[in-house]
Amino acid sequence: KNQVEQSPQSLIILEGKNCTLQCNYTVSPFSNLRWYKQDTGRGPVSLTIMTFSENTKSNGRYTATLDADTKQSSLHITASQLSDSASYICVVSARSGGGADGLTFGKGTHLIIQP
Amino acid sequence: GAGVSQSPSNKVTEKGKDVELRCDPISGHTALYWYRQSLGQGLEFLIYFQGNSAPDKSGLPNDRFSAERPEGSISTLTIQRTEQRDSAMYRCASSWGAGTENSPLHFGNGTRLTVT
Repeated sequence: KNQVEQSPQSLIILEGKNCTLQCNYTVSPFSNLRWYKQDTGRGPVSLTIMTFSENTKSNGRYTATLDADTKQSSLHITASQLSDSASYICVVSARSGGGADGLTFGKGTHLIIQP
Repeated sequence: GAGVSQSPSNKVTEKGKDVELRCDPISGHTALYWYRQSLGQGLEFLIYFQGNSAPDKSGLPNDRFSAERPEGSISTLTIQRTEQRDSAMYRCASSWGAGTENSPLHFGNGTRLTVT
């Protein structure tokens, strides 16, 4: 069964500090992995996408890594800001075999940045 | 440009009543998803529409739930004879292509359903 596990479930850090969020998956066959940011009361918004051949990708202060061998991804946030407070959701796509829902969602990491 | 629009944003209904939730996807997006998100839980897939293909209804929890997308654009999710366990945030998302390709999902702000 395809699964996506995220850790930690929640995290509190001080403004300006760095943090790393983890995503482990068992989705097969793997197509891509995407990190979404979900602000309170809003829908998730895509931050970055990782395909099989990519092992690191940056989007501003966000850097995602992917290890396709160990089926792990991380999202590193540098110099955190109050606006980074949100839930971060890892979503893994299976290579489409005709099934419509090839997406497996993690439950997210709830990040709180304290001033 | 306009994002995914969902209405109403909040809906309170009595147990046993029917409710209809609406999603207006981004213009031109062929794929449309409905998800349910309960407090502290992840996004739970309900149903997926892709163009003119038959929808994937495999995530609908029971036959009280149904959804339509008759013109290939706006979709409605209907819950009949609502129960308290149906209370949740219902989110709609749309994307180019099949969604499993390199196109992100664009989510609406959701409809918060409360069944009393």
